[in-house]
Amino acid sequence: DAKTTQPPSMDCAEGRAANLPCNHSTISGNEYVYWYRQIHSQGPQYIIHGLKNNETNEMASLIITEDRKSSTLILPHATLRDTAVYYCIVRVGDTDKLIFGTGTRLQVFP
Amino acid sequence: GAVVSQHPSWVICKSGTSVKIECRSLDFQATTMFWYRQFPKQSLMLMATSNEGSKATYEQGVEKDKFLINHASLTLSTLTVTSAHPEDSSFYICSARGQGAFSSPLHFGNGTRLTVT
Repeated sequence: DAKTTQPPSMDCAEGRAANLPCNHSTISGNEYVYWYRQIHSQGPQYIIHGLKNNETNEMASLIITEDRKSSTLILPHATLRDTAVYYCIVRVGDTDKLIFGTGTRLQVFP
Repeated sequence: GAVVSQHPSWVICKSGTSVKIECRSLDFQATTMFWYRQFPKQSLMLMATSNEGSKATYEQGVEKDKFLINHASLTLSTLTVTSAHPEDSSFYICSARGQGAFSSPLHFGNGTRLTVT
């Protein structure tokens, strides 16, 4: 199973871009990268996912390196409400399973 | 779309009793749902995969007789914590994949906080 490595915590000033890195060096060719976030005492919220192309939606952008061994989630204009734990996850093979790592605790400050 | 609802959002029960938690997919059918538990300041841990019309598949170390899972319809899975003890106090979260491509993301319920006294 591909595993991910993320920094345990990051800070970001409100209004600035938050760039959250993730390493997934053992990812297989057909495995997608998913990003979720969890605000305290709530279920995880889906943000974005991708295979090899960069992706953008109304919440964030996902940049995946050409060798697919790492990716970066970009929140273009962080707000205080973006303070959460962000999880980068690689789906397990051909299953629907998502195995969560420890994530990155993003603190957005005024 | 792809809304997953859990009920109750919190429950307090006495040691030795059983508690049932419901997970519903509100606007889609889910042949597979997943149950997680989360202790304070820790990440989510996958407990089991709930399969509609068949037995659940449990992750290593999860007691199937302790955590009974029933997935009787395409929109409902239930998790019953049997003979609950204080160490079962945790945040339980379910998820399901929306319809569409295999790459479609899983969507999560808002969790159920169980406190066993």
